[in-house]
Parts: sequence; C-alpha cells; structure tokens
Amino acid sequence: DAGVIQSPRHEVTEMGQEVTLRCKPISGHDYLFWYRQTMMRGLELLIYFNNNVPIDDSGMPEDRFSAKMPNASFSTLKIQPSEPRDSAVYFCASSEGQGRGRTYEQYFGPGTRLTVT
Amino acid sequence: AQSVTQLDSQVPVFEEAPVELRCNYSSSVSVYLFWYVQYPNQGLQLLLKYLSGSTLVKGINGFEAEFNKSQTSFHLRKPSVHISDTAEYFCAVKRITSYDKVIFGPGTSLSVIP
Repeated sequence: DAGVIQSPRHEVTEMGQEVTLRCKPISGHDYLFWYRQTMMRGLELLIYFNNNVPIDDSGMPEDRFSAKMPNASFSTLKIQPSEPRDSAVYFCASSEGQGRGRTYEQYFGPGTRLTVT
Repeated sequence: AQSVTQLDSQVPVFEEAPVELRCNYSSSVSVYLFWYVQYPNQGLQLLLKYLSGSTLVKGINGFEAEFNKSQTSFHLRKPSVHISDTAEYFCAVKRITSYDKVIFGPGTSLSVIP
C-alpha cells in the first residue's frame, strides 16, 4: 500500500484566498483524522471521521475551516478565506475500524505545509 | 478528560549513550498508550504501543517503554542512541472505551550529538 497520500505537499497562498487540502487514506481504514501542527500549539486534532461521517469537529478553529469525506477514499480540508495565522503543517491520518486484533495505530501522511502571506 | 505531559521539551544526548524520554498522563478511565516519532519533514509513525499485558513494551529501532499504572507514566528508553534517532517524540493516550480520539503530548525533541 502507498500509505496515506496528501496533496499538495506545499501550498503558498495570499490572505483571503481559498485553500483546499486533499487526503487519500489507506484502503480499508475506517477512520480519518485531520491534524494541524505549529511550533506554538503543537499537534492539534481538527476533526475526525468514521465511515465517512464526521464524529468530532470540536477542534476546527472557526467557520472558515470545513472538512468533507464524500467517500471512503477521499477527504478534503478547506480554508476560506485563509489568514496568515493558518500557516502550519496539516496532517491527515487514517486508522483501522473496530474489531478484534486492531492495533489502534494511526498512519500519518507526509503533511501539507501551508504558508499564507 | 485525558491529558499528556512530556516533562522535557528538548533532550540532547551523546551518540551511544542511553536516553529516557518521560511521559506522564492523566485519565479517570483506563487508557491505551503510544509513542510516535516524527523525523524532520515527515509525518508521525508509531514506535510502540501498550494495549494490555506485559507492562514492558518493545518497539522498533531498539526503543522500549514501561507502563506504570500507579505513577501514570509511560517513559521511553533506549540503551544506546544513534545519530539517526534525532527526531521529535510524541507520547499519546486514548481512552479504551471511546472512539479513536488520541490525545498527543507536546513532544520531546531528541538531539543526538556525535
């Protein structure tokens, strides 16, 4: 398996523009997580999905952020409008579903480094 | 709610010396425990985990950790570090009974000095 795939790897945009980050989880994984990592705040969970349904979005900073998972193999995180304080590395991770023998391990993608000027 | 404390934000250590990265957690219910490693410009990857059974857990790259329930600790150790171990290390907890929301600690930056 290719692992969790994220695109783009780097994104530079101007304040006020819309930004869309993309994620393809590992095939067969039922959970998908979006994280944001900054020096000041560390690793923050933004939202996670189970079987394409958002379970907990309490970490989404404000209404400018939205996330969707239209099917089991694709998710997006959108920021509209973007602001300089959104600059961070955004990670997507996936995990197996419930069941005997599951390891609860989260598999992380390589991240998208977002810079908003 | 659960929380994770990593007492050292930065740990410098000479190559081939032993190292211990400390992790303490707080939870009113039973938890699973994890250590993840993040190499520069990469995502996190699992080093080891404690789900049940033996409190001494062995992971990849020669790392091990010991779960101490009475002290609510899960310290990570390696007897002899290599330059390639330079990375950020995250301790994490997850409630046994919840959906898969994992709480990560703030991280410890391990720098191995040649």
